This record gives sequence, structure tokens and C-alpha cells, in this order.
Amino acid sequence: DTAVSQTPKYLVTQMGNDKSIKCEQNLGHDTMYWYKQDSKKFLKIMFSYNNKELIINETVPNRFSPKSPDKAHLNLHINSLELGDSAVYFCASSQDPSSGTDTQYFGPGTRLTVL
Amino acid sequence: GESVGLHLPTLSVQEGDNSIINCAYSNSASDYFIWYKQESGKGPQFIIDIRSNMDKRQGQRVTVLLNKTVKHLSLQIAATQPGDSAVYFCAETISNFGNEKLTFGTGTRLTIIP
Repeated sequence: DTAVSQTPKYLVTQMGNDKSIKCEQNLGHDTMYWYKQDSKKFLKIMFSYNNKELIINETVPNRFSPKSPDKAHLNLHINSLELGDSAVYFCASSQDPSSGTDTQYFGPGTRLTVL
Repeated sequence: GESVGLHLPTLSVQEGDNSIINCAYSNSASDYFIWYKQESGKGPQFIIDIRSNMDKRQGQRVTVLLNKTVKHLSLQIAATQPGDSAVYFCAETISNFGNEKLTFGTGTRLTIIP
């Protein structure tokens, strides 16, 4: 019954590997997001998708490729992982950001550790 | 107690006291502001929001104050409880017809002392 869910919660992998993080929301929202939170707790948006269409891409390296098979899912695939990719990745969703007062609901996060 | 939300400062408050968390936002064009609470091991959780046409908004035990002149936002938590211990983030955005994005502040860690 979780509103925004992510899998896995923890991901430990070697440098150079390719990995994916999955996100699903059951709120019926049209817009989904990926955020990265570094070790200093700084939270920064990476991507947003509205109804499967890319809206925001915050100059993220092209090793990061979001994929939205439907508006309830936004997965994040990362190629050739680097040490600097270690962080906590949060998925979020909102109903209608164009309203200007839209609340974003966050998932529990995925802690990625690159060795 | 009070804090300024830069470089993840820490604020410790005695249980039952009031706390004030401050945030200096960067963009004078921002017109919507949100406070989020992040507990350990969890994602940010919405607390309260305010639009730029207001300077104060109250919720249950929380009040947000907005001073657009000095680009300052504060979150007041009344009668703090142990469950209030968390990192608190302010976020700002500009209404942009679907391209809105939240810009988060650096956060403040609030610790409630029993």
C-alpha cells in the first residue's frame, strides 16, 4: 500500500557495472522524478517525466537513462558506474506541477554504493 | 532554538520547547515554497507549503513564515516532540507551466532532547 515504492533499497556494486533502480507510484499521478542525495544530504533533481515524456533533464551524464514504460513507473538505468555515483536516489511523483502548488511525494530511497 | 539552513547545521531543542529553522532561498522569482521533513532512512515528507502571495501559513504545530524582501523562509515547530527529530529541508520553485522543479536547500538537522 506504499504510495511511491523503489527497489532495491540497497545496491552495492563494482565500478564499471550497469545497474537499474525501479520506481512505481500507485497515486495516479502524471509526473514522476528522480533525485540524487549526496553524503552531505544535498538533494538535487535529475529528471522529471510527465505521462512518459521527459520534461526536465538536469545535465545528468548520459550514463544515466530514465525509462518510463507507463506513467506509474519511472526506472533509472545507470551504465558504467563510477565511484561518484554513490548516493541515495529518490523517486518522487506529483499530480500536476503546472498548478504551481503541487506536492511531490517521495519514495523511501535507494542507497547505491559503488566500490 | 534557531538555526540557519546552510551546510547542514544541527539544532538541538529540549522536548516541549519551540524550534525555529531558517532558510535563505536564492531565486527572487520563486513563488512557491515547501518544507520537507526527512527522517533517518526515509524519503522527504511534505510538511507545509506557502505561496509568495502570503507571508504566513499555519498547520498543526507548524508555522511557515515567508519574507520575500530578504528571501528568507522559516519553519516554526511548537511544543517539539521526539518524533520531530529529523533533517528539515526548504524547497523553492517557480511556476512554469509544467516545467517546475524543486530546488532544495541544504537542510537542517533537528534533534529533540528528551
